[in-house]
Amino acid sequence: KAGVTQTPRYLIKTRGQQVTLSCSPISGHRSVSWYQQTPGQGLQFLFEYFSETQRNKGNFPGRFSGRQFSNSRSEMNVSTLELGDSALYLCASSLGQGGRFSYEQYFGPGTRLTVT
Amino acid sequence: QKEVEQDPGPLSVPEGAIVSLNCTYSNSAFQYFMWYRQYSRKGPELLMYTYSSGNKEDGRFTAQVDKSSKYISLFIRDSQPSDSATYLCAMSLMRGGNKLTFGTGTQLKVEL
Repeated sequence: KAGVTQTPRYLIKTRGQQVTLSCSPISGHRSVSWYQQTPGQGLQFLFEYFSETQRNKGNFPGRFSGRQFSNSRSEMNVSTLELGDSALYLCASSLGQGGRFSYEQYFGPGTRLTVT
Repeated sequence: QKEVEQDPGPLSVPEGAIVSLNCTYSNSAFQYFMWYRQYSRKGPELLMYTYSSGNKEDGRFTAQVDKSSKYISLFIRDSQPSDSATYLCAMSLMRGGNKLTFGTGTQLKVEL
């Protein structure tokens, strides 16, 4: 079974620009979560999508948004980039429903975003 | 104070040693507990997933949860150089779905 894939793997953007990152979950998984990883703050939850609806949201500004498509693929968007947005952005997929082990999350390799 | 505390290390042990990694947490509502391993420049890899208190064993790995003390542990037996990585604990609420709260990670180095 193929794992979680993320594209692109690396991105360099300039302050003020916007960026869109993509995530394809494991086949059959309906939940996609996004996390930001930085050396200072560690891994922080951004949001979760399940069946095309945002189900959970972390404490990030509105510049961070996401969506999920009917095939469970997800995108996240960051508008008006700031230097502090430089991070590894990880997405994770899970079944998301039906039993206590349906929340096992499997991570992709991440997209490393550098804002200059 | 962070909800989940984890000693960042680095922790250096000789090959074959038993490694003990720990996390403490403050939110008693956490019900699901996970351990991830992350190699440099890779995404986290799920090692262990446990629900509520107790022990779970998988090969060389044992996860332990003590909800009364708000303390979780991961033991690695017969450690190998390939175990050198950062180990992250994570936890979520019963009805929190997939909102994981992570520790900062412990960097482990297993030396020959």
